[in-house]
Amino acid sequence: TQLLEQSPQFLSIQEGENLTVYCNSSSVFSSLQWYRQEPGEGPVLLVTVVTGGEVKKLKRLTFQFGDARKDSSLHITAAQPGDTGLYLCAGPKGKLIFGQGTTLQVKP
Amino acid sequence: SQTIHQWPATLVQPVGSPLSLECTVEGTSNPNLYWYRQAAGRGLQLLFYSVGIGQISSEVPQNLSASRPQDRQFILSSKKLLLSDSGFYLCAWNPGRGGTEAFFGQGTRLTVV
Repeated sequence: TQLLEQSPQFLSIQEGENLTVYCNSSSVFSSLQWYRQEPGEGPVLLVTVVTGGEVKKLKRLTFQFGDARKDSSLHITAAQPGDTGLYLCAGPKGKLIFGQGTTLQVKP
Repeated sequence: SQTIHQWPATLVQPVGSPLSLECTVEGTSNPNLYWYRQAAGRGLQLLFYSVGIGQISSEVPQNLSASRPQDRQFILSSKKLLLSDSGFYLCAWNPGRGGTEAFFGQGTRLTVV
């Protein structure tokens, strides 16, 4: 059983479209993180959300932590081909665990 | 600043051969260290993590093992590789002591033939 469930698993959109990726759990997390990974490389941290209801913005990316700290979302506005990659959410449960990832493909 | 080194970047090994992947961290002390394996386009499966020298927690029963002979060195090993050991292996560290963000090496693409 996956402690962190991400949806959708795969997303293919046209440049300029908006999208939202979800990360859900039945457990409460003290924080959740989002990473982006390109093929053949290690994941790179995008953001950490800590407070329930928190919203963080990183240029065209908006991250939200659920009020109950069991879920998070990543919203991308006006997606660009450079946003293509694997997006992973992660959270600490003694050790750091990851969701199964969302593969995003943005077509020019 | 902290850096993490993982090598080799790619490796092709025959079935039944041994394996040793090495990871070192610079610029920090007493980090938590992790080995993950990743199937193509999928999430990270935690294999081992360590909170200190000689302290290894195994998450998934398999023919792999890990060791931490020094504070900033983490080694993934196998005595006899299986075809199913093929994958992308990632080493990561985080500061521990409440710090949860992980910083990853570049990964090792292992192909067992």
